Amino acid sequence: SYVLTQPPSVSVAPRETARMSCGGDDIADKGVHWYLQKPGEAPVMVLSYDRDRPSGVPERFSGSSSGNTATLTISGVEAGDEAVYYCQVWDISSDRVVFGGGTKLTVL
Amino acid sequence: VQLVQSGGDLVQPGGALRLSCSASGFTFSRYAMHWVRQSPEKGLEYVAYISSDGGSTFYGDSVQGRFTISRDNSNNILYFQLSNLRTDDSAVYYCVKDGMEAYGDYTFDHWGQGTLVTVSS
Repeated sequence: SYVLTQPPSVSVAPRETARMSCGGDDIADKGVHWYLQKPGEAPVMVLSYDRDRPSGVPERFSGSSSGNTATLTISGVEAGDEAVYYCQVWDISSDRVVFGGGTKLTVL
Repeated sequence: VQLVQSGGDLVQPGGALRLSCSASGFTFSRYAMHWVRQSPEKGLEYVAYISSDGGSTFYGDSVQGRFTISRDNSNNILYFQLSNLRTDDSAVYYCVKDGMEAYGDYTFDHWGQGTLVTVSS
């Protein structure tokens, strides 16, 4: 079965740039979607199809995907960006939705 | 868009429960819908899909044959019937709207607030 691998944690100082990876076989061939989840709340989509921002998501959030790694980048990190970030794909070969394990972003 | 969930509860193993999700703020009948659950043990886990017209459904392996997804497009409500519940079904269950009309594309652009299902004796 298809597996998405995310680092458990990433820490950055305010106003710095956070980069969170999502690894999977030939992930660049799939559309990767990203969600953030704050404690006690439901997930919220922040990117779809690698790099498309839904309405209301700040331009500070961007994404890319190449080879076996997709990356979510947050520029000018703010305290309010602290959350767990999940990546997700639909694996067409297995017809399965797959979520990564999540990366906890800590703003120092 | 609003997805307001209800129905979570404490239930014994082998029991049953029905979850509901009342949708507003969009044309419910045009969009596929999903249920996703989350537990500390398994993280986010995809469990079920239904097409916009209700004619197509899909279930994750762990719930196939025990859970049933359905929808009432006249009243803008999504349902999830949980049967033969097991302790490992304990989780927060989320009602999720697909980002694409009709059959959807498994992009989850809006989530309900979640409802807790606890299976324990």
